[in-house]
Amino acid sequence: AQRVTQPEKLLSVFKGAPVELKCNYSYSGSPELFWYVQYSRQRLQLLLRHISRESIKGFTADLNKGETSFHLKKPFAQEEDSAMYYCAPLYSSASKIIFGSGTRLSIRP
Amino acid sequence: DVKVTQSSRYLVKRTGEKVFLECVQDMDHENMFWYRQDPGLGLRLIYFSYDVKMKEKGDIPEGYSVSREKKERFSLILESASTNQTSMYLCASSRTAGANVLTFGAGSRLTVL
Repeated sequence: AQRVTQPEKLLSVFKGAPVELKCNYSYSGSPELFWYVQYSRQRLQLLLRHISRESIKGFTADLNKGETSFHLKKPFAQEEDSAMYYCAPLYSSASKIIFGSGTRLSIRP
Repeated sequence: DVKVTQSSRYLVKRTGEKVFLECVQDMDHENMFWYRQDPGLGLRLIYFSYDVKMKEKGDIPEGYSVSREKKERFSLILESASTNQTSMYLCASSRTAGANVLTFGAGSRLTVL
């Protein structure tokens, strides 16, 4: 069965500190991987996709196939990064996107 | 801008009532999805659809049904609402070809008393 694990429910860091939100997925072929974000009172929206290999709002995510991980990182957290973050693999065999349980990131001033 | 519109932002229903949650997208997306969002559980897929009149069960379909009579509209139906269906319901859509990126609606918060 396809699974995705985000071990931290809440992550609280100081402004300017590095941030790493963890995501591990079960291996079933090679899923396409996404991070979605939901800011307060806003819709859930795409943050970044593995396949694009881009940095969005200073965030990057590295796919480690050996560890089946797709951790989200930012070197210097900003207050506006406070939000709920979801890791979401797409398993083409099932043709559906599943979501992790989410990590709430809180940036302290 | 892709728009996914959910007809009701807040609903309060009684146990046993039939509930309809409507979702409309205006960008000709083939795929539509219903998720429920609960604290600590994240988003769980209820049903999805890849085409008109087609539907597939997600991970938690029990107690729900769906209808997709037109490409732009995907309805979630709770035949007999129960208190454990109190939740935030999110509709999303995506294209079949290309990015597989989901565009979400604002959500419908359902409270079942």
